[in-house]
Amino acid sequence: EADIYQTPRYLVIGTGKKITLECSQTMGHDKMYWYQQDPGMELHLIHYSYGVNSTEKGDLSSESTVSRIRTEHFPLTLESARPSHTSQYLCASSEWGGAGGYTFGSGTRLTVV
Amino acid sequence: GQQLNQSPQSMFIQEGEDVSMNCTSSSIFNTWLWYKQDPGEGPVLLIALYKAGELTSNGRLTAQFGITRKDSFLNISASIPSDVGIYFCAGPGSTGAQKLVFGQGTRLTINP
Repeated sequence: EADIYQTPRYLVIGTGKKITLECSQTMGHDKMYWYQQDPGMELHLIHYSYGVNSTEKGDLSSESTVSRIRTEHFPLTLESARPSHTSQYLCASSEWGGAGGYTFGSGTRLTVV
Repeated sequence: GQQLNQSPQSMFIQEGEDVSMNCTSSSIFNTWLWYKQDPGEGPVLLIALYKAGELTSNGRLTAQFGITRKDSFLNISASIPSDVGIYFCAGPGSTGAQKLVFGQGTRLTINP
């Protein structure tokens, strides 16, 4: 079944650690996106990609980085986690871009202590 | 940039009541999308609207594409506990845009 997967679902980590949030989709979508969302709040676009080797920064400045080496995989990395990075991170993909809508993963809830 | 304004920001209703929420923009949108986010999950697409004046239903949900192309409405009839969540409107930032613009969300709480 085509879908989009995020791991881990929950992560509690100490300050200064390097972390990678995984996002994979089996739908062959070229376009992928990362959103940051504080509980019950707006969705903020932090990174997006229109295909392999394409990455762009989103509307909200983020200290995280992303890579797109394979179509199906769009990981997000924080080199040195800080408490201010505590949030929910949502990954999404799309075949047609904006008009076609996005398919979202279930998210990773990150807590940095 | 383009913004979508949703109202109300939150709603507290009794089970069985009907719900209405809307989304407005200062600029024209050619597509309107409505998403629902359950607690602890990612948003899921409920309804997509592609034509001004279009009225589309999905079970107890009905959404309309405003004729001015600057607004959209979502109605939920006879609410049930599983309707709880955050409802987002969204649309392409511009014609052919690859990115969606999202509203701030309407949080729906239902008292049994």
